[in-house]
Amino acid sequence: GAVVSQHPSRVICKSGTSVKIECRSLDFQATTMFWYRQFPKQSLMLMATSNEGSKATYEQGVEKDKFLINHASLTLSTLTVTSAHPEDSSFYICSAKSGQGSYEQYFGPGTRLTVT
Amino acid sequence: KQEVTQIPAALSVPEGENLVLNCSFTDSAIYNLQWFRQDPGKGLTSLLLIQSSQREQTSGRLNASLDKSSGRSTLYIAASQPGDSATYLCAVDNAGNMLTFGGGTRLMVKP
Repeated sequence: GAVVSQHPSRVICKSGTSVKIECRSLDFQATTMFWYRQFPKQSLMLMATSNEGSKATYEQGVEKDKFLINHASLTLSTLTVTSAHPEDSSFYICSAKSGQGSYEQYFGPGTRLTVT
Repeated sequence: KQEVTQIPAALSVPEGENLVLNCSFTDSAIYNLQWFRQDPGKGLTSLLLIQSSQREQTSGRLNASLDKSSGRSTLYIAASQPGDSATYLCAVDNAGNMLTFGGGTRLMVKP
């Protein structure tokens, strides 16, 4: 099956710093990647959708200047949390889709971000 | 706007029991519905995907059904095992792209 990796799996950073999370599709080309956030004991909430080579589409209430998304290649998308605050502490999960006609999203293992 | 609800939110059963998890959605114009498993602190594992034209899918001890007209799906787990303990999430794809997730059912199977 299709494999999606995320790096790092865990990160702790100080308030005010920026953190970059990588999402890679290892054995397929991902034309579309998605970024989700999950707070403890809650479900996943879609943050943004990114298509390779174009700007990401953000969901309502998600600040695009705070959560920078880059999808520069067909196998890599990055999420940068800028000027992180403790309330940004969460579990961030990415998923990837291979292209038109493929309905299934393949999920990464997630990144636990803790902002102190 | 699509809303997905899962009932119950938590479930504890003895090993060996057959069980049913429920998922309901408000907008029946869906492309597909997926069931996922999530272990604590981990990502999602896809269990079953049902296309809008299908009524059920089976994989091993798991069977998922879909009734689009009533906005419901069920995940049936046969002969439950302690290793089945996890959170089960259903997600609906409306636009061929974006998934809307339910709140999940936390399952505990006791030995």
